[in-house]
Amino acid sequence: ELQLVETGGGVIQPGGSLRLSCEVSGFTVSSNHLSWVRQTPGKGLEWVSVLYSGGSIFYSDSVKGRFTVSRDSAKNTLFLQMNNLRGDDTAVYYCAKDQGWFDPWGQGTLVTVSS
Amino acid sequence: DIQMTQSPSSLSASVGDRVTITCRTSQGISNSLIWYQQKPGKVPKLLIYGASTLQSGVPSRFSGSGSGTDFSLTISSLQPEDVATYYCQEHKTSLRTFGGGTTVEIK
Repeated sequence: ELQLVETGGGVIQPGGSLRLSCEVSGFTVSSNHLSWVRQTPGKGLEWVSVLYSGGSIFYSDSVKGRFTVSRDSAKNTLFLQMNNLRGDDTAVYYCAKDQGWFDPWGQGTLVTVSS
Repeated sequence: DIQMTQSPSSLSASVGDRVTITCRTSQGISNSLIWYQQKPGKVPKLLIYGASTLQSGVPSRFSGSGSGTDFSLTISSLQPEDVATYYCQEHKTSLRTFGGGTTVEIK
């Protein structure tokens, strides 16, 4: 069974940093494309970043320069390092297997940026 | 970047009605169009990929069509369990984009 489990969310002050983890089982992070997608409470979905199996990384304009994606093959885990967080980064963050479409998704982890 | 315009933003229909949601892209994306269903409090679920290919396990009352810039998701006979928000998404480029969502309710 393919499974993704996100951890690391929480409450953080504006300007702070947070690192999210996405532990994967049933497939390997190094051989698959993986994306981060976020959803503001009560609002729509926003794609954040993709890490291709070959190592290429792309970011949305809203997070470029502040967020960094990486992976650890030994831990079979994807990471999202979020720096200089702002109020509009408050959202549930999902990781998902990316084949152009996202499937499966993790259950999400909530990040709240607030003073 | 590709812009996605999804309409309507919400709709209310009766059980058994035929429901159609549309998604328009700012540039041609061939058939690189995806549809998801998200029920309240749940994770988005893949419904359709390649604009018209039904994901395994999705009821046949759901269908997708279109190519280029204009796409649609149709529910042929709306059921109570179809109450959800539906999103389109493109993957023509590496910068994936979602539509704004359509909330479907039962009248």
